[in-house]
Amino acid sequence: AQRVTQPEKLLSVFKGAPVELKCNYSYSGSPELFWYVQYSRQRLQLLLRHISRESIKGFTADLNKGETSFHLKKPFAQEEDSAMYYCASLEGGSNYQLIWGAGTKLIIKP
Amino acid sequence: DVKVTQSSRYLVKRTGEKVFLECVQDMDHENMFWYRQDPGLGLRLIYFSYDVKMKEKGDIPEGYSVSREKKERFSLILESASTNQTSMYLCASSLTDNYGYTFGSGTRLTVV
Repeated sequence: AQRVTQPEKLLSVFKGAPVELKCNYSYSGSPELFWYVQYSRQRLQLLLRHISRESIKGFTADLNKGETSFHLKKPFAQEEDSAMYYCASLEGGSNYQLIWGAGTKLIIKP
Repeated sequence: DVKVTQSSRYLVKRTGEKVFLECVQDMDHENMFWYRQDPGLGLRLIYFSYDVKMKEKGDIPEGYSVSREKKERFSLILESASTNQTSMYLCASSLTDNYGYTFGSGTRLTVV
């Protein structure tokens, strides 16, 4: 079965410092990968998809098939980036079920 | 602009009560999902549905059932609420493609 691993439950960095949220997946095929974010008291929302290769709110994520990773990065953290971040992998087949990591809470210290 | 609506933001129920959580989406999505979100455990899938009247068990279906009589509505039912079902419940919907999920704002259920 597919698995998505986010090794850090909590990550705390200073404002202006680089941020890297780690995500590893176990799918052996060509995965569809996503990062979701949940700000305090807001709904869970899509941050970015690897297939679109976009940068959202300064965040980027590169798929590394050799390392089976999809780490989320931002060069300069801002206080408003404090949130819960989830990595997810789309399972192929007819049900399009996302497999979720356990989430990483990111705290940006002023 | 709200696309996935969960009927209640906060709910307090007594042990043994039958509880209904409602979710409605207006995007004509085929797939709908119910998750519970607990600290340290992330999102755990309870049930999902990929078509009207179709349902599939997720990872933790015990103690829950679902109903999807219309495409836009997906209901989660706690047959006999217990204190270990105190949690945040999230509903989501998606098209059958890889655009990802749209989530509701969640229902925080407390069972006392």
